[in-house]
Amino acid sequence: GESVGLHLPTLSVQEGDNSIINCAYSNSASDYFIWYKQESGKGPQFIIDIRSNMDKRQGQRVTVLLNKTVKHLSLQIAATQPGDSAVYFCAESRLGATNKLIFGTGTLLAVQP
Amino acid sequence: DGGITQSPKYLFRKEGQNVTLSCEQNLNHDAMYWYRQDPGQGLRLIYYSQIVNDFQKGDIAEGYSVSREKKESFPLTVTSAQKNPTAFYLCASTRTGANTEAFFGQGTRLTVV
Repeated sequence: GESVGLHLPTLSVQEGDNSIINCAYSNSASDYFIWYKQESGKGPQFIIDIRSNMDKRQGQRVTVLLNKTVKHLSLQIAATQPGDSAVYFCAESRLGATNKLIFGTGTLLAVQP
Repeated sequence: DGGITQSPKYLFRKEGQNVTLSCEQNLNHDAMYWYRQDPGQGLRLIYYSQIVNDFQKGDIAEGYSVSREKKESFPLTVTSAQKNPTAFYLCASTRTGANTEAFFGQGTRLTVV
């Protein structure tokens, strides 16, 4: 069935380093992808999205890369800060599928001071 | 400010009781969703509604019920038929017609006592 999975359940980085969080998706028909950040006890917050007609999209300190050939998505966070510590989810959907988002398990990003 | 409000933040239920979780949005979104999140896991879709007076089962609908009498409101009832209801419940909403990110509430943590 459809699934979105993450390669690394936990990622520990030093403050100031760059972080890369990876995500694999299995449905080649998916055409829209989102990264969410979830802090403990809170709802997920939108970080950045990308559509399948793009390979790369940049935001403030974050970059999302999409490799459709291998069905891989990554989130890069530049100059990681303690406030970036959270669980990061990728989600996929496809146009016409009722906007139903399929979420991966999540990666815990732990930023060490 | 526009957003999604879930209440209560914490809810305790005795075994055999039904409880209702509230979700209200003032974003004028047509679609609303309920997700369940268990520790260390991703979000699983319980029910979703694309329009008033219509809703569809998600991947784990058994033991839950919903209603969508108003565009702004999408309450979730956890019935006594749900055998393992302790979890973090998240409500979300989206625009319809195109892929777009979901906006989430802050969640309700339900515990069976």
